[in-house]
Amino acid sequence: GESVGLHLPTLSVQEGDNSIINCAYSNSASDYFIWYKQESGKGPQFIIDIRSNMDKRQGQRVTVLLNKTVKHLSLQIAATQPGDSAVYFCAEKNRLTGGGNKLTFGTGTQLKVEL
Amino acid sequence: DAGVIQSPRHEVTEMGQEVTLRCKPISGHNSLFWYRQTMMRGLELLIYFNNNVPIDDSGMPEDRFSAKMPNASFSTLKIQPSEPRDSAVYFCASSLALKAGDTQYFGPGTRLTVL
Repeated sequence: GESVGLHLPTLSVQEGDNSIINCAYSNSASDYFIWYKQESGKGPQFIIDIRSNMDKRQGQRVTVLLNKTVKHLSLQIAATQPGDSAVYFCAEKNRLTGGGNKLTFGTGTQLKVEL
Repeated sequence: DAGVIQSPRHEVTEMGQEVTLRCKPISGHNSLFWYRQTMMRGLELLIYFNNNVPIDDSGMPEDRFSAKMPNASFSTLKIQPSEPRDSAVYFCASSLALKAGDTQYFGPGTRLTVL
């Protein structure tokens, strides 16, 4: 079946340290993998995505790594800041028979940045 | 630029009442998605539209739920009659189209409480 799961429900890091949030997925046919950030009382905010034919993609202070061999996805945040405190969701995008693509979200990881 | 707009932000109603949630997608986006978020089930796709046409409504929980998109700039999600188990945060998202690489941008959500 299709499922996206996270290993760690809560991650606490010191300000300035690097954060690594992990995600496991089960559908090897997924086209894209996406990371969203959700702050309290707000909707999910797109951070970065990676196509299934890539293994690494970098953005501003963030890097996503994809290991298709073990079906693992990670989000690395450099120099974590208090504003990075939020719940982070990984999601995989799969094609639908009716057309289009469906996002399947993981359960989320709460990132807490300690001063 | 304005993002996805949802109204109301909060809705409290009594069991049995009709509830209508509203969404205005990002201008120029042709695809619109309705999601529901709960602690127990996380983020779930309910229904999505492309060019105002419903493509997949397999995520709609029951016949009590219905969604419409009368034009490119407006969509509604209606629950009639509402039940306490419908309490959740409902998100609307939009994307340029339905290609795998088209990012979905989420609105701020409507927090629904059914008493």
